[in-house]
Amino acid sequence: QVQLVESGGGVVQPGRSLRLSCAASGFSFSSYGIHWVRQAPDEGLEWVASIWYDGTTKYYADSVKGRFIISRDNPKNTAFLEINRLRVDDTATYFCAKEAREWEMTEWLGPWGQGTLVIVSS
Amino acid sequence: EIVMTQSPATLSVSPGEGASLSCRADQSVGNKLAWYQQRPGQAPRLLIYGASSRATGVPDTFSGSGSGTEFTLTITSLQSEDFAVYYCQQYYNWPRTFGQGTKVDIK
Repeated sequence: QVQLVESGGGVVQPGRSLRLSCAASGFSFSSYGIHWVRQAPDEGLEWVASIWYDGTTKYYADSVKGRFIISRDNPKNTAFLEINRLRVDDTATYFCAKEAREWEMTEWLGPWGQGTLVIVSS
Repeated sequence: EIVMTQSPATLSVSPGEGASLSCRADQSVGNKLAWYQQRPGQAPRLLIYGASSRATGVPDTFSGSGSGTEFTLTITSLQSEDFAVYYCQQYYNWPRTFGQGTKVDIK
């Protein structure tokens, strides 16, 4: 079955960088786009970034543009979210999710991973 | 950016009763609307896509309706596992946006 497993979270000081990973299995990873969504403690969901199946096109929320970089390594079935110049308000659980349809990024978010928690604190 | 607004913020319901959750977009999203359920401590789970299509494995006690700017998620006969937070999300254009969520709790 489809499985997405995030890793790379932890406690980080403001201003530092972090790279989150999303390891995928159970589907043809190179055929599907990947999304990152975050959730601050006791808050709602915020879409952060998305990447096409082949990595050629990327989308970012305005709130993270210029600091976050989404990427993927298809042979390793893994997507990444690099967070630079971390701020206290980046504290959140970061989820990756699979795009619903092959070869497109026009649909809903399919299965989600369980998330990885990032805490930004001095 | 399309703003999604959900109401109410919290809905208190007795087990076995039904519930209707509302989601409004500030511009038309056609039927490009999904609903997700998030239980405490868990990842969100897709319930409804295309405004009214149930995802695989979702019981028929959940139904979605609406198009354009007004959408509703209806849950009939709430079970204990249905008490959760529900989010709507538009995928009509970028950036993808979520509503702020409706928490359904036990009355």
